[in-house]
Amino acid sequence: DQQVKQNSPSLSVQEGRISILNCDYTNSMFDYFLWYKKYPAEGPTFLISISSIKDKNEDGRFTVFLNKSAKHLSLHIVPSQPGDSAVYFCAASSLGGTYKYIFGTGTRLKVLA
Amino acid sequence: DVKVTQSSRYLVKRTGEKVFLECVQDMDHENMFWYRQDPGLGLRLIYFSYDVKMKEKGDIPEGYSVSREKKERFSLILESASTNQTSMYLCASQTGRTVGKEQYFGPGTRLTVT
Repeated sequence: DQQVKQNSPSLSVQEGRISILNCDYTNSMFDYFLWYKKYPAEGPTFLISISSIKDKNEDGRFTVFLNKSAKHLSLHIVPSQPGDSAVYFCAASSLGGTYKYIFGTGTRLKVLA
Repeated sequence: DVKVTQSSRYLVKRTGEKVFLECVQDMDHENMFWYRQDPGLGLRLIYFSYDVKMKEKGDIPEGYSVSREKKERFSLILESASTNQTSMYLCASQTGRTVGKEQYFGPGTRLTVT
């Protein structure tokens, strides 16, 4: 049972345009969400997070939006750069529970120069 | 800067061998995790530890065990490697002092079991 889903395995975007990566979750107990970026042959690196008391969090070119009623979050990258080409994982956690994250299956983003 | 290191980047083992994967973190983190990453399946949690000598099963613990004798070191053990354990193994650490903090990952070990 996949509690965190990333339904698009891959996405291609032109340099300078917006990249939108989506993530859906099923467990209403999740109240903290993170995005990680992973380059080949490297470990994932933390990108941005959001707690359920917010619906938006912004850090430079990266913005995460949370729609609790739809159990959906998205990561916007504006403008997209070739160095953003990587696999992006969303992860969910319950702050009142354990420190465990549940990760999605990942979306491979390719930014075309 | 948090540093998480893993003992090997690439490892090739034969079916039935005992395999040790080591992870060391230098940030005095309480929590440590072992994941495996497979295409189309994302990162799946194998085991985690909140403290020295403490361990808890993750989502896919079968065929694995762990050891945490020192705070900075968390080992993953494959008692008898099988071909379906061929995967990328990722270790992570996290402070346990505040909830909601990110996990820091090592570079990964690509294990091939033949």
